[in-house]
Amino acid sequence: AQSVTQPDIHITVSEGASLELRCNYSYGATPYLFWYVQSPGQGLQLLLKYFSGDTLVQGIKGFEAEFKRSQSSFNLRKPSVHWSDAAEYFCAVGAWGRDDKIIFGKGTRLHILP
Amino acid sequence: DVKVTQSSRYLVKRTGEKVFLECVQDMDHENMFWYRQDPGLGLRLIYFSYDVKMKEKGDIPEGYSVSREKKERFSLILESASTNQTSMYLCASSSPGQGASQPQHFGDGTRLSIL
Repeated sequence: AQSVTQPDIHITVSEGASLELRCNYSYGATPYLFWYVQSPGQGLQLLLKYFSGDTLVQGIKGFEAEFKRSQSSFNLRKPSVHWSDAAEYFCAVGAWGRDDKIIFGKGTRLHILP
Repeated sequence: DVKVTQSSRYLVKRTGEKVFLECVQDMDHENMFWYRQDPGLGLRLIYFSYDVKMKEKGDIPEGYSVSREKKERFSLILESASTNQTSMYLCASSSPGQGASQPQHFGDGTRLSIL
C-alpha cells in the first residue's frame, strides 16, 4: 500500500529566503504525486502535480517540485518565500488502478519570519 | 471556476444529536470524498463515492454515514454525535481518471464542535 511521509512538522524561514519542504512516498510503481497548500481556515488548494515525463514540475505561486525516483522523494521548493506563503503544506500520492483515493501526508506548517 | 461548497463554516451541536454536513460541487464530478482533519493526524478519509447512490468506506467510517442522492451533493451524517467527533471536516470532489490521477478539489471546510 502507498504511504506518504513529511518528515518536518514545522519549518521556519525568513522572508526572501529559499524554501524546501520534504516528501517521501512509498509505492511500488510510478505514483501520481501532488502538493497542496492550506491557508488558515481554508480548504486545500492544489499547487502542482506529477504524473509522468519531466521530473521537475512547475506549479502556481512560484512553487516547483522535483520527482526523484531513486530517493522516492517529491520535494517542494520556492526560491524566495513571501509572508503570504505561511500555511500548511500537504504532499499526497495516488496509485494506479480503479481506486481513486489519494493518500495525504500529515503536513508541514510553514512559518515566515519578517 | 471549480467550486465545492460546504453548507456551514462553523457548527456547534450537542452530544447525541444527529448532524448533517452538506457538500455541493458544480463541476459535474463523479467522485466525492469526506475527510476529517485533526492536528498532527493530517487528513483521514471517512467515506467516498464514485457515483450517485454509491458509497465506499474510507479509513475511519465508524460513527458516520453518507448519502449521495444527486451527483452534485454528498452529505455526511453523524448518527449520534460524540465529543470525539469535534473536528474540521473537508469535502472534496474529482473527476474519474486512471486510478487517482485526477486532483481533488476541496471546499473550505466545516469546523464542527460537539458539546
